[in-house]
Amino acid sequence: ETGVTQTPRHLVMGMTNKKSLKCEQHLGHNAMYWYKQSAKKPLELMFVYNFKEQTENNSVPSRFSPECPNSSHLFLHLHTLQPEDSALYLCASSQDLFRVLGDNSPLHFGNGTRLTVT
Amino acid sequence: ILNVEQSPQSLHVQEGDSTNFTCSFPSSNFYALHWYRWETAKSPEALFVMTLNGDEKKKGRISATLNTKEGYSYLYIKGSQPEDSATYLCATLMDTGRRALTFGSGTRLQVQP
Repeated sequence: ETGVTQTPRHLVMGMTNKKSLKCEQHLGHNAMYWYKQSAKKPLELMFVYNFKEQTENNSVPSRFSPECPNSSHLFLHLHTLQPEDSALYLCASSQDLFRVLGDNSPLHFGNGTRLTVT
Repeated sequence: ILNVEQSPQSLHVQEGDSTNFTCSFPSSNFYALHWYRWETAKSPEALFVMTLNGDEKKKGRISATLNTKEGYSYLYIKGSQPEDSATYLCATLMDTGRRALTFGSGTRLQVQP
C-alpha cells in the first residue's frame, strides 16, 4: 500500500467520548501534519511533526492531543470535544519540513476523517 | 493582502471552455506557492510548486504562472473536461519562520458535459 492512509473515514462521537484518528504514510517522509477543514473555511494547520518531534502547535485546544510514535504514524486523540469541532481532519506528509532555501516537495494528503460531534 | 485569497469561490463552465482563476498572497516574505487539486471524496493532490517570479509550469491542459512582486498566481485550464471538476487550492510558504503552508479557501470548478 502506498501513500497516506487515514482511519476511520467517518466518525460520530458524543461530547464525553474519547476517540483517536490514525494516519499512516508509506512514502518514507520525515514530516507529518494535521489539518482541519471546517465548512466554508480554508484548511487550517493544527500540528506539525518532524522526525517524531512536534515542531508546531497552532494554538490548538488541549482536547486535541497528537501523538507521533515514529515517522510513519501520526495519531490525533480526541476527548470532550464540542459540536463546533465537527469538521474534516486531514493528515499530510512531506519529505522534510518546509524550508526557505532549497527545493521543497509538496504535501501528500490522506483522504481525511469526517468527524461529527453530537 | 494579509492572507491567501482565491477567486472566484466557484465557477461553472461548459465542456471545452478554457478557464482561469486567481490566487493572491502577501508579496513580502514570499518563498513558495503550491497548487493542489481536490476531487470530491478523494485527497488533495499536488499540481505545481513554484518559487521564482515569472515561473510558468504546465501539466497537460493545466498551467500556472507566478508573479511574486505583485503577489498573485493564475491557474489556467485549457479545454475543460468533466474530470477537471474539483476544488483547486493554492497555498503559500512565507519566509516568516513558520515552516508550514497557509491555504486559501479554494475555487470550486464544475465542468458541465
